Amino acid sequence: QQPVQSPQAVILREGEDAVINCSSSKALYSVHWYRQKHGEAPVFLMILLKGGEQKGHDKISASFNEKKQQSSLYLTASQLSYSGTYFCGTVLMTTDSWGKLQFGAGTQVVVTP
Amino acid sequence: GAVVSQHPSRVICKSGTSVKIECRSLDFQATTMFWYRQFPKKSLMLMATSNEGSKATYEQGVEKDKFLINHASLTLSTLTVTSAHPEDSSFYICSARDRAGGNTEAFFGQGTRLTVV
Repeated sequence: QQPVQSPQAVILREGEDAVINCSSSKALYSVHWYRQKHGEAPVFLMILLKGGEQKGHDKISASFNEKKQQSSLYLTASQLSYSGTYFCGTVLMTTDSWGKLQFGAGTQVVVTP
Repeated sequence: GAVVSQHPSRVICKSGTSVKIECRSLDFQATTMFWYRQFPKKSLMLMATSNEGSKATYEQGVEKDKFLINHASLTLSTLTVTSAHPEDSSFYICSARDRAGGNTEAFFGQGTRLTVV
């Protein structure tokens, strides 16, 4: 039930762009994106609820293709502060009303000067 | 945003002892809380769903008798690692929502790093 994330890691120079993908084998109700720094709790970035929905947070944006059960996170003009591990979390359509969030394996992003 | 407080942040215990981790929602009522476990450089693995006033629901493969969860009030859930062993060493983290369902942000506690020696 865990989503599949790719790539596992990406190294960027400041100002470069990157895309992180998240896919599920089951129908999705929502996709959540978090960023975690070493030794800290995950920090919420955004939720995508509807098929085709796109959202943005500063220069980080995401899309959700409900039909393909996929979501992508776009890091645009990356900044040093973008470094961390990005996790997508998914809530399945068939899940109980509690809204259990299952996380992908994570994508480690390193932004260098 | 809402605040979830987890305590302690770090704990070292001897093998065979039990450790209790607390998760509190400070400014909202959380009827449901979730407990995760994270190994170094790995993902967050959902262990169980904690519901106020009822038994927790455990994910497949998680030992109920080893990881005791109690959700005694709308603002407090506890995870007790019983008879801890070195393989239980991990980062444990809780999360909660201020509303039911999967269309809202899940707020995370700071996490507890457990080391069993």
